[in-house]
Amino acid sequence: AQKITQTQPGMFVQEKEAVTLDCTYDTSDPSYGLFWYKQPSSGEMIFLIYQGSYDQQNATEGRYSLNFQKARKSANLVISASQLGDSAMYFCAMSSDGVYGNNRLAFGKGNQVVVIP
Amino acid sequence: SQTIHQWPATLVQPVGSPLSLECTVEGTSNPNLYWYRQAAGRGLQLLFYSVGIGQISSEVPQNLSASRPQDRQFILSSKKLLLSDSGFYLCAWSVRQGLPGANVLTFGAGSRLTVL
Repeated sequence: AQKITQTQPGMFVQEKEAVTLDCTYDTSDPSYGLFWYKQPSSGEMIFLIYQGSYDQQNATEGRYSLNFQKARKSANLVISASQLGDSAMYFCAMSSDGVYGNNRLAFGKGNQVVVIP
Repeated sequence: SQTIHQWPATLVQPVGSPLSLECTVEGTSNPNLYWYRQAAGRGLQLLFYSVGIGQISSEVPQNLSASRPQDRQFILSSKKLLLSDSGFYLCAWSVRQGLPGANVLTFGAGSRLTVL
């Protein structure tokens, strides 16, 4: 079974600084995907970035980048130049069993980020 | 473009009452559909997923059931709610075909259920 671990306590980040959110995972599947989602106080889940297990390069999407270290089974999210709107819960997730056409995600417990001016 | 709708947004129900949460997707065909639950301050737990009409897989045995009467409609139900059913329920969809593990889930706005 897949397991996602996010253990950092709530974080306060100064506006315009970078923040790194830790995520480690455990799986026996040879092929899998890693995702990060943002959940603001409104509750909606917003997709941020995806990394495939066979991707050679770390994924980047605007101010978001994923530091993927396959051997260490970690997929940390880096948010550069933090903005006040980045204040939210951030969830790391992993696709389940790599079955073609079926993408069940297992989620970690999340990291709370508060950006301060 | 694809959109996903969930309703009701907020629901307060007494213990023992029935439940029906509805989710519909527009702008796509043959989606995979999912129901997740988020307890207060916790991560998301997958409850049900569906790869087609009438095809429902349950991830966690519980007081809830799901149905998919139409291709783009997914319903979460209960005959008798328990206090432990309180939480934030999120519906999501993904494309059916794609690389293993690569399909992004797009979530609805969620339904907040309080059972008293």
